[in-house]
Amino acid sequence: QSALTQPASVSGSPGQSITISCTGTSSDVGSYNLVSWYQQHPGKAPKLMIYEVSKRPSGVSNRFSGSKSGNTASLTISGLQAEDEADYYCCSYAGSSTYVVFGGGTKLTVL
Amino acid sequence: EVQLVQSGAEVKKPGESLKISCKGSGYSFTSYWIGWVRQMPGKGLEWMGIIYPGDSDTRYSPSFQGQVTISADKSISTAYLQWSSLKASDTAMYYCARQDFDTLTPDYWGQGTLVTVSS
Repeated sequence: QSALTQPASVSGSPGQSITISCTGTSSDVGSYNLVSWYQQHPGKAPKLMIYEVSKRPSGVSNRFSGSKSGNTASLTISGLQAEDEADYYCCSYAGSSTYVVFGGGTKLTVL
Repeated sequence: EVQLVQSGAEVKKPGESLKISCKGSGYSFTSYWIGWVRQMPGKGLEWMGIIYPGDSDTRYSPSFQGQVTISADKSISTAYLQWSSLKASDTAMYYCARQDFDTLTPDYWGQGTLVTVSS
C-alpha cells in the first residue's frame, strides 16, 4: 500500500478538465508545501509537472495546475489533449525519517 | 542541459551481486542529492533513498534500509545502487533522479535501468 492515496484511474474527453487527488496525512502532505506531480508515459521516465504544490517548471503547459487543502493535494489538467494520456504520480516530503513518499499512481485516459 | 545517464539493463541470478550507476552532467553534481526510485513491473514509484555527493551523506527509506547500498564517486559525477544478494523480487526498473538540496523534490530523472533477476 502506497503512502499517498490516489484514484487508480480517471478519464475525460478532449477539451474537458480533470482533477486527480492525492491524500496523505498530517506527517506528509498536510505538514509541508512540498508536493510534486509527475507524468509518466509508457516505457518512459517520469517527468516533473508541478512542484511545491502549485509551481510549474519551465516548459510545462499552463494547462497543468496544482493545489492543496489540508492533507489532500490535487492536480488539475484543463483542455485535455490526447498526449495527456499517461500515468500521474504525486510525491511529498515526509519529514526527516521517511523523507519522500509517492502516491500509487493514477492512469489518465483521454476518451 | 541537466542529464542523468544510467547504466544498461542487467540480467542476474538470485544470490548474485549487482551495482548499477547514474552519471550526472550539466550541473554541479555535488550540490544536489541523487535519489533512487524503484518501479516494479506494472506498479508505481517507490522512493528508496538518497545520497549527497558533496559529503556522501546517505539516507534510506525505512522500506529499503539494509536491502540496498547507495554510494557515489564525486570525482566522476556518478552515483551507484548496489545489492549484495539479489532476489527475484528485486526485478524492476530503477530510476535515479536529481533531488533538490532543500526540498528533496526529484526534478530530473535518468532513463532507467531494468534489472531482471531470474534463475
